Amino acid sequence: QQPVQSPQAVILREGEDAVINCSSSKALYSVHWYRQKHGEAPVFLMILLKGGEQKGHEKISASFNEKKQQSSLYLTASQLSYSGTYFCGTERSNDYKLSFGAGTTVTVRA
Amino acid sequence: EADIYQTPRYLVIGTGKKITLECSQTMGHDKMYWYQQDPGMELHLIHYSYGVNSTEKGDLSSESTVSRIRTEHFPLTLESARPSHTSQYLCASSHFQDTDTQYFGPGTRLTVL
Repeated sequence: QQPVQSPQAVILREGEDAVINCSSSKALYSVHWYRQKHGEAPVFLMILLKGGEQKGHEKISASFNEKKQQSSLYLTASQLSYSGTYFCGTERSNDYKLSFGAGTTVTVRA
Repeated sequence: EADIYQTPRYLVIGTGKKITLECSQTMGHDKMYWYQQDPGMELHLIHYSYGVNSTEKGDLSSESTVSRIRTEHFPLTLESARPSHTSQYLCASSHFQDTDTQYFGPGTRLTVL
C-alpha cells in the first residue's frame, strides 16, 4: 500500500537540479510532499490532487500524473537549505489517511 | 506556523513500564494522527482520529492505545513498554476540509531498555 519512492538518495552541488519520483500501484486521490531535516519533524511542502496538476513552491515544484499514479518532485537550482529527506504521502480516497514512501535523502553540497 | 506540541521530547524507560506520550494542538483541528518512525525510515501510521470519541488503528499494527476525549488532546499509551517499542513517535493534526495539510509535532524519541 505504501508508495515507492526513487531514488533512495541523491547528492547535488548547489545550483543543480534533481527529480524525485513517487509511484503507487493503487488509484490515488492526492499526493502530499514533505521534507524532513535530520532530527526534526516533517514539514509540509505541497499537495497535488487527482486531475493531474502541477504546483510550485519557490524553486521546488511537483506534478501528478493521475493515469500513471505517479508524482514527481522537481528541485531546481538547488540550495544548501534543500538538504533533507523528502517523503511523499499518498491518499487513496478522500479519507485523510496518508501512506508514506521510504523517503529520498537529498544532500546539497557547496 | 502550526501549533502542535509533544511531550516528552525524549524518554528512556525500562521494560514493563506504562508510558503515555502526550500530543496537543491549539489549532482546533479535528483530525489527529500518530506515526511511528525508525531512524532514516518511513513514517508508519499507527493511530488516527477524526474527532472527539473517534479513534482508529492505522496501517501498522501497534500495541499502543489512544484516546480522544478533547479535540486538542490525543495521547498515546503503552501499557507495558518493550525494547521493540523503541522508536520515534510523531503526532500530526489536520483540518477537516477537502485538501488538508498535516502539521507534525516535534516528536518523542522513545528508548526502552
